[in-house]
Amino acid sequence: DARVTQTPRHKVTEMGQEVTMRCQPILGHNTVFWYRQTMMQGLELLAYFRNRAPLDDSGMPKDRFSAEMPDATLATLKIQPSEPRDSAVYFCASGSSGDYYNEQFFGPGTRLTVL
Amino acid sequence: AQSVSQHNHHVILSEAASLELGCNYSYGGTVNLFWYVQYPGQHLQLLLKYFSGDPLVKGIKGFEAEFIKSKFSFNLRKPSVQWSDTAEYFCAVNARGSSASKIIFGSGTRLSIRP
Repeated sequence: DARVTQTPRHKVTEMGQEVTMRCQPILGHNTVFWYRQTMMQGLELLAYFRNRAPLDDSGMPKDRFSAEMPDATLATLKIQPSEPRDSAVYFCASGSSGDYYNEQFFGPGTRLTVL
Repeated sequence: AQSVSQHNHHVILSEAASLELGCNYSYGGTVNLFWYVQYPGQHLQLLLKYFSGDPLVKGIKGFEAEFIKSKFSFNLRKPSVQWSDTAEYFCAVNARGSSASKIIFGSGTRLSIRP
Protein backbone atom coordinates (compact mmCIF):
# COMPACT_ATOMS: atom_id res chain seq x y z
CA ASP A 1 0.00 0.00 0.00
CA ALA A 2 1.92 3.02 -1.27
CA ARG A 3 1.71 6.09 0.97
CA VAL A 4 3.31 9.45 1.47
CA THR A 5 5.18 9.49 4.76
CA GLN A 6 6.09 12.52 6.83
CA THR A 7 8.33 12.95 9.84
CA PRO A 8 8.06 14.02 12.53
CA ARG A 9 4.33 13.72 13.10
CA HIS A 10 4.45 16.22 15.93
CA LYS A 11 7.00 18.88 16.77
CA VAL A 12 7.03 21.34 19.63
CA THR A 13 9.78 23.89 19.61
CA GLU A 14 10.65 27.29 20.94
CA MET A 15 10.63 30.48 18.97
CA GLY A 16 13.89 31.05 17.13
CA GLN A 17 14.73 27.38 16.72
CA GLU A 18 15.24 25.69 13.37
CA VAL A 19 12.61 23.19 12.30
CA THR A 20 13.04 20.62 9.54
CA MET A 21 10.14 18.57 8.25
CA ARG A 22 10.65 15.62 5.93
CA CYS A 23 8.50 13.95 3.36
CA GLN A 24 8.94 10.74 1.42
CA PRO A 25 6.76 10.78 -1.69
CA ILE A 26 5.19 7.67 -3.13
CA LEU A 27 7.77 5.72 -5.09
CA GLY A 28 7.60 6.70 -8.74
CA HIS A 29 5.89 10.02 -8.15
CA ASN A 30 7.81 12.99 -9.51
CA THR A 31 5.78 15.91 -8.16
CA VAL A 32 5.79 17.00 -4.53
CA PHE A 33 3.66 19.68 -2.90
CA TRP A 34 3.93 21.34 0.52
CA TYR A 35 0.79 22.74 2.14
CA ARG A 36 0.16 24.51 5.41
CA GLN A 37 -3.16 24.26 7.17
CA THR A 38 -4.38 26.59 9.91
CA MET A 39 -7.80 27.38 11.31
CA MET A 40 -7.57 30.96 10.12
CA GLN A 41 -6.10 30.53 6.64
CA GLY A 42 -7.26 27.07 5.73
CA LEU A 43 -5.13 25.06 3.29
CA GLU A 44 -2.33 27.06 1.65
CA LEU A 45 0.06 25.83 -1.01
CA LEU A 46 3.60 26.75 0.00
CA ALA A 47 5.73 25.20 -2.73
CA TYR A 48 5.86 22.44 -5.27
CA PHE A 49 8.43 20.50 -7.22
CA ARG A 50 8.59 18.47 -10.37
CA ASN A 51 11.49 16.12 -10.95
CA ARG A 52 13.13 17.67 -7.86
CA ALA A 53 13.12 21.17 -9.39
CA PRO A 54 11.11 23.87 -7.63
CA LEU A 55 8.32 25.11 -9.90
CA ASP A 56 6.52 27.51 -7.63
CA ASP A 57 7.32 28.66 -4.13
CA SER A 58 5.41 31.91 -4.24
CA GLY A 59 3.27 30.85 -1.32
CA MET A 60 6.22 30.51 0.99
CA PRO A 61 7.71 33.27 3.18
CA LYS A 62 11.17 33.43 1.64
CA ASP A 63 12.98 35.00 4.53
CA ARG A 64 12.56 32.05 6.86
CA PHE A 65 11.23 29.11 4.85
CA SER A 66 13.12 26.92 2.43
CA ALA A 67 12.11 23.79 0.56
CA GLU A 68 14.38 21.32 -1.17
CA MET A 69 14.45 17.86 -2.69
CA PRO A 70 17.91 16.41 -2.06
CA ASP A 71 16.85 13.30 -3.97
CA ALA A 72 13.76 11.79 -5.52
CA THR A 73 12.77 10.05 -2.29
CA LEU A 74 13.08 12.98 0.08
CA ALA A 75 11.59 16.45 0.28
CA THR A 76 12.37 18.83 3.12
CA LEU A 77 10.75 21.98 4.43
CA LYS A 78 12.84 24.05 6.77
CA ILE A 79 11.91 27.02 8.92
CA GLN A 80 14.71 29.11 10.38
CA PRO A 81 14.08 30.88 12.67
CA SER A 82 10.66 29.62 13.66
CA GLU A 83 7.97 31.92 15.03
CA PRO A 84 4.72 31.23 16.92
CA ARG A 85 2.69 32.18 13.83
CA ASP A 86 4.27 29.21 12.03
CA SER A 87 2.26 26.86 14.25
CA ALA A 88 0.18 24.79 11.87
CA VAL A 89 -0.14 21.37 10.30
CA TYR A 90 2.17 20.97 7.33
CA PHE A 91 1.10 18.46 4.70
CA CYS A 92 3.14 16.97 1.93
CA ALA A 93 1.45 15.50 -1.15
CA SER A 94 2.87 13.71 -4.16
CA GLY A 95 1.69 12.94 -7.65
CA SER A 96 2.87 12.05 -11.11
CA SER A 97 3.22 14.59 -13.89
CA GLY A 98 2.86 11.65 -16.24
CA ASP A 99 -0.62 11.19 -14.81
CA TYR A 100 -2.96 13.14 -17.03
CA TYR A 101 -5.31 13.67 -14.14
CA ASN A 102 -2.83 15.19 -11.68
CA GLU A 103 -4.27 13.50 -8.61
CA GLN A 104 -2.41 14.27 -5.40
CA PHE A 105 -1.90 11.88 -2.50
CA PHE A 106 -1.48 13.43 0.92
CA GLY A 107 0.74 12.44 3.81
CA PRO A 108 -0.40 12.39 7.46
CA GLY A 109 1.03 15.82 8.18
CA THR A 110 3.44 17.32 10.70
CA ARG A 111 1.75 19.23 13.51
CA LEU A 112 4.13 22.05 14.45
CA THR A 113 3.77 24.09 17.62
CA VAL A 114 6.12 27.01 18.14
CA LEU A 115 6.07 28.38 21.67
CA ALA B 1 -6.46 32.03 -12.94
CA GLN B 2 -8.35 29.14 -11.45
CA SER B 3 -10.35 29.56 -8.26
CA VAL B 4 -12.74 27.47 -6.22
CA SER B 5 -15.60 28.72 -4.05
CA GLN B 6 -17.26 26.79 -1.30
CA HIS B 7 -19.98 29.01 0.04
CA ASN B 8 -20.98 26.90 3.02
CA HIS B 9 -18.36 27.26 5.73
CA HIS B 10 -20.11 25.16 8.35
CA VAL B 11 -23.06 22.85 7.86
CA ILE B 12 -24.86 21.16 10.75
CA LEU B 13 -27.20 18.27 10.05
CA SER B 14 -28.93 15.51 11.94
CA GLU B 15 -28.23 11.89 11.14
CA ALA B 16 -30.17 10.58 8.14
CA ALA B 17 -30.59 14.05 6.68
CA SER B 18 -29.64 14.61 3.07
CA LEU B 19 -26.49 16.56 2.27
CA GLU B 20 -25.51 18.88 -0.52
CA LEU B 21 -22.32 20.93 -0.36
CA GLY B 22 -21.83 23.58 -2.98
CA CYS B 23 -18.71 24.04 -5.08
CA ASN B 24 -18.18 26.47 -7.93
CA TYR B 25 -15.01 26.98 -9.87
CA SER B 26 -13.76 29.51 -12.33
CA TYR B 27 -11.61 28.43 -15.24
CA GLY B 28 -12.17 28.75 -18.96
CA GLY B 29 -10.63 25.47 -20.04
CA THR B 30 -11.17 21.81 -19.33
CA VAL B 31 -10.75 20.83 -15.73
CA ASN B 32 -10.31 17.89 -13.42
CA LEU B 33 -12.47 18.12 -10.32
CA PHE B 34 -11.98 16.56 -6.92
CA TRP B 35 -13.58 16.31 -3.52
CA TYR B 36 -11.28 15.54 -0.61
CA VAL B 37 -12.37 14.74 2.93
CA GLN B 38 -10.43 15.38 6.12
CA TYR B 39 -11.65 13.55 9.20
CA PRO B 40 -10.79 15.12 12.57
CA GLY B 41 -7.06 14.91 13.19
CA GLN B 42 -6.34 13.17 9.91
CA HIS B 43 -4.94 14.04 6.50
CA LEU B 44 -6.85 14.75 3.32
CA GLN B 45 -8.20 11.73 1.49
CA LEU B 46 -9.71 11.60 -1.95
CA LEU B 47 -13.47 11.15 -1.82
CA LEU B 48 -14.18 11.22 -5.54
CA LYS B 49 -12.97 12.75 -8.77
CA TYR B 50 -14.30 13.73 -12.17
CA PHE B 51 -12.23 13.67 -15.34
CA SER B 52 -14.61 12.94 -18.17
CA GLY B 53 -17.67 10.95 -19.13
CA ASP B 54 -20.75 10.64 -16.95
CA PRO B 55 -21.09 13.93 -15.06
CA LEU B 56 -22.56 12.09 -12.08
CA VAL B 57 -19.62 10.64 -10.20
CA LYS B 58 -19.93 8.14 -7.40
CA GLY B 59 -17.32 8.02 -4.69
CA ILE B 60 -16.64 6.16 -1.49
CA LYS B 61 -18.99 5.95 1.49
CA GLY B 62 -22.12 6.72 -0.51
CA PHE B 63 -21.04 10.16 -1.71
CA GLU B 64 -21.64 11.41 -5.21
CA ALA B 65 -21.06 14.64 -7.08
CA GLU B 66 -22.51 16.11 -10.21
CA PHE B 67 -20.52 18.16 -12.67
CA ILE B 68 -22.67 20.82 -14.33
CA LYS B 69 -20.46 22.47 -16.89
CA SER B 70 -22.86 25.30 -17.67
CA LYS B 71 -22.92 26.30 -14.03
CA PHE B 72 -19.24 25.65 -13.33
CA SER B 73 -20.39 23.59 -10.39
CA PHE B 74 -19.42 20.30 -8.80
CA ASN B 75 -21.71 19.86 -5.81
CA LEU B 76 -21.25 17.00 -3.38
CA ARG B 77 -24.27 15.01 -2.24
CA LYS B 78 -25.21 12.17 0.05
CA PRO B 79 -28.80 11.04 0.53
CA SER B 80 -28.48 10.09 4.20
CA VAL B 81 -25.57 11.24 6.36
CA GLN B 82 -24.12 9.41 9.33
CA TRP B 83 -22.38 10.68 12.43
CA SER B 84 -19.13 9.32 11.01
CA ASP B 85 -19.38 11.78 8.11
CA THR B 86 -18.39 14.57 10.48
CA ALA B 87 -15.34 16.04 8.74
CA GLU B 88 -14.12 18.90 6.62
CA TYR B 89 -14.75 18.66 2.90
CA PHE B 90 -12.62 20.34 0.26
CA CYS B 91 -13.50 20.86 -3.36
CA ALA B 92 -10.54 21.20 -5.72
CA VAL B 93 -9.82 21.83 -9.39
CA ASN B 94 -6.91 21.75 -11.77
CA ALA B 95 -6.40 22.33 -15.44
CA ARG B 96 -6.67 19.17 -17.52
CA GLY B 97 -3.45 17.78 -18.82
CA SER B 98 -1.06 20.49 -17.64
CA SER B 99 1.90 18.71 -16.20
CA ALA B 100 2.45 19.11 -12.49
CA SER B 101 -0.15 21.82 -12.32
CA LYS B 102 -1.35 23.01 -8.97
CA ILE B 103 -4.58 21.72 -7.56
CA ILE B 104 -6.52 24.71 -6.33
CA PHE B 105 -8.46 23.96 -3.17
CA GLY B 106 -11.56 25.65 -1.88
CA SER B 107 -11.65 26.99 1.66
CA GLY B 108 -13.44 23.89 2.91
CA THR B 109 -16.82 23.16 4.45
CA ARG B 110 -16.98 21.82 7.94
CA LEU B 111 -19.75 19.26 8.33
CA SER B 112 -21.05 18.48 11.79
CA ILE B 113 -23.55 15.65 12.23
CA ARG B 114 -25.73 15.53 15.32
CA PRO B 115 -26.25 11.97 16.54
